[in-house]
Amino acid sequence: GAGVSQSPSNKVTEKGKDVELRCDPISGHTALYWYRQSLGQGLEFLIYFQGNSAPDKSGLPSDRFSAERTGGSVSTLTIQRTQQEDSAVYLCASSSGTGFYEQYFGPGTRLTVT
Amino acid sequence: GESVGLHLPTLSVQEGDNSIINCAYSNSASDYFIWYKQESGKGPQFIIDIRSNMDKRQGQRVTVLLNKTVKHLSLQIAATQPGDSAVYFCAENSWGKLQFGAGTQVVVTP
Repeated sequence: GAGVSQSPSNKVTEKGKDVELRCDPISGHTALYWYRQSLGQGLEFLIYFQGNSAPDKSGLPSDRFSAERTGGSVSTLTIQRTQQEDSAVYLCASSSGTGFYEQYFGPGTRLTVT
Repeated sequence: GESVGLHLPTLSVQEGDNSIINCAYSNSASDYFIWYKQESGKGPQFIIDIRSNMDKRQGQRVTVLLNKTVKHLSLQIAATQPGDSAVYFCAENSWGKLQFGAGTQVVVTP
């Protein structure tokens, strides 16, 4: 079946602009996660959604970052007023539950802020 | 999903030999650990997992060992193949949130 998909695969934006990154999880997966992979910080957790519960936003680095998940499926990660340090690969994952469930990752969106 | 480097340690292995990749974790309360493989341009891919009530688990050509006393995890790959060349990450799963180690670059030489 189809895996996790992300779009765009690459995004170049100017400093100060807003960007939206999209994630389509595996159909039926109730949990969705966003991670960031960067030179300075490695792979780090940003936010996750589980069903209708309030999202766990504990990994978001600043209030410029936000995410939403509509209808329990597609998610959008928004970065406002982008900075050069936001340049990274943004990875989305989904799983059929939280806790001891395998997370399936998408290919990521490479964001470059110039 | 290309892995970007933090001066990743590199393990160079000859094809056919066994590989051992090590990982230290920090949280003694962690109860679920996973190994991921990441190839260039792709997202991390699940390899094998282990819960804290076990000290060893085997999969196809892979074995994970967990030593809770010294908070150490290792991944053994038997008969390493060229397709095993990738960056390998260990991760602690804390109720869904994965905390990743820095990663190890494995290079398989002919």
